[in-house]
Amino acid sequence: SAVISQKPSRDICQRGTSLTIQCQVDSQVTMMFWYRQQPGQSLTLIATANQGSEATYESGFVIDKFPISRPNLTFSTLTVSNMSPEDSSIYLCSDYGADGYTFGSGTRLTVV
Amino acid sequence: QQQVKQSPQSLIVQKGGISIINCAYENTAFDYFPWYQQFPGKGPALLIAIRPDVSEKKEGRFTISFNKSAKQFSLHIMDSQPGDSATYFCAASDSGGYNKLIFGAGTRLAVHP
Repeated sequence: SAVISQKPSRDICQRGTSLTIQCQVDSQVTMMFWYRQQPGQSLTLIATANQGSEATYESGFVIDKFPISRPNLTFSTLTVSNMSPEDSSIYLCSDYGADGYTFGSGTRLTVV
Repeated sequence: QQQVKQSPQSLIVQKGGISIINCAYENTAFDYFPWYQQFPGKGPALLIAIRPDVSEKKEGRFTISFNKSAKQFSLHIMDSQPGDSATYFCAASDSGGYNKLIFGAGTRLAVHP
């Protein structure tokens, strides 16, 4: 199965700033996904990122707050913009390949 | 709107016992049903998955039972071990709908020695 490297693994950020999370897959994949997992909660899909097209956002998530880039078939970034303490969460990227969905280890974000 | 309902929220099982986690879905277009295991500080890892053309799939100590008419599926962990203590998530996706994976709320399993 694909191996997904995600960084940073954790960060503490000041409110009002932005953080960009990187996700690297070791093989070419068409679809990549970004999820948010609040402490002790399940995973909520933020958006689907396909190479060469605009990301598709789920209800409750907007591009201005969570801009996504997908420059090629192995890489994607998620930016959490103008952060507030409510954005403190784990952010995970995922791909969909022949072995199903594979997840990165996540980025644990704390906003102070 | 929650589309995959998972129960129980937490489960305590003695070593050697059977752990059973249940999920129900609403969207009849779902055609892929995986279970994920997540340890603290790690991303979810695929445990086992099933498609609607079979009613049961077994991999080692892990079995998925699938009831298409009832729109329910469950995970059975036989001979549960302390190392199985983790959070388990069921999920579902519709291959015709951008393959979005929708997760259940999760079950925190504790296996006591």
